[in-house]
Order: sequence, then C-alpha cells, then structure tokens
Amino acid sequence: GEDVEQSLFLSVREGDSSVINCTYTDSSSTYLYWYKQEPGAGLQLLTYIFSNMDMKQDQRLTVLLNKKDKHLSLRIADTQTGDSAIYFCAESKAAGNKLTFGGGTRVLVKP
Amino acid sequence: ETGVTQTPRHLVMGMTNKKSLKCEQHLGHNAMYWYKQSAKKPLELMFVYNFKEQTENNSVPSRFSPDCPNSSHLFLHLHTLQPEDSALYLCASSQDPGTSNEQFFGPGTRLTVL
Repeated sequence: GEDVEQSLFLSVREGDSSVINCTYTDSSSTYLYWYKQEPGAGLQLLTYIFSNMDMKQDQRLTVLLNKKDKHLSLRIADTQTGDSAIYFCAESKAAGNKLTFGGGTRVLVKP
Repeated sequence: ETGVTQTPRHLVMGMTNKKSLKCEQHLGHNAMYWYKQSAKKPLELMFVYNFKEQTENNSVPSRFSPDCPNSSHLFLHLHTLQPEDSALYLCASSQDPGTSNEQFFGPGTRLTVL
C-alpha cells in the first residue's frame, strides 16, 4: 500500500541549513513534492521532482531523491525565521491525480 | 481575487445543523479537490472532481456531500456531523488531471462540530 512518512519535528538555528527527510513505500511513485504550510494557511507548493531525477535546486531549496531507498529530502540553506512552518512530503503516480501526503514535519527556526 | 479562495474561514456548528463550505478557484484549472486535515492524521483526500465530474470518493461518509456546478466552484455540504469531523477542510485545484498534478491550495475552513 501507499505510505509516506516524515519525522515530526525539526529545530534549527537561524542561518543554519535544515534537512527534512521523507520516506515512501510505493516504487511506482513518479512525482514527489514538498509543500509548506504556515499557521492558519493552506499548503503552498515549494518544489517537486520527477522520479527520473536525483537532485533539483531552486534558490535556497535543494531536493535530493534516492529512488533505490525511496528516500526524499529537502534542504533549506540559510534558514530564516520565515521558514518556520510545517513541511509536507507527497507523492503521486504518472497517471491520475491523487496525492498521498506524509504527516508533516514541523520546523522551528530559532534566532 | 486570485488563486484558490475558501469561505467561511471558520465555522462552528451543532451536530443537527446543515451548512456548506465553498471553494472558488481563479486559475482556470479543470480539477478540484477536498481534503481533510485533522490534528492526528496525515492530510486525507476526500473527493476529486475533474471537469465537474466526481472521479474519486475516498470512502467519505454520506454526511459530507460535495457539489461541483462548474470547474471554478466546489462546495461541500455538511449535515448531521459528528465532533470527530472537526478539522481543517482544504480545497485545492490543478490544471489538468493526469499530469504533474501540481495542486494549489486554498487557506482552508476551520470547522468545529459541537
């Protein structure tokens, strides 16, 4: 069955790098996503990666995908207080449009 | 307005009430979704509509009744809810079904059932 798992909590100092990890079980996952949810808001898509890629960089964000281990990570460089939020990993298949989300990782950035 | 909007943002209702949640997307998308986000569970997909037709019902109880009159609007009609239905209900939309599935979310309706 489909399962996406994340650690619950990450604390990081302002200016340091954050790394949020995600594992998934479905080897047919084709698209993997990172969403950010700030307090009182909906989910905002940060970035996504196709399963035939192993890395994607977008400004301060770097996504790494280890398809063999079914492991996805999001690295945030120079973490800022505005990065404090819940980060969700999600996956979907090539066809259809169902997203399966992880439980979310709450990131707290300390000054 | 731009993006995906939801009204109301907060709703408190009794178990015998009937209420509706509204979602509107201004992105020209063809697919719309309802999700439930509760405190102790991962985000749960409830319903999917593609080109106004329901294509997925994720075993949602019948006390939740979705309605999609056109590609821009999605409603969730609520009746005889239970306290465990209290959650954040998120609406999302995407351009086309079966593609990269980049979904854009609204801010959600925080529902409390007394």
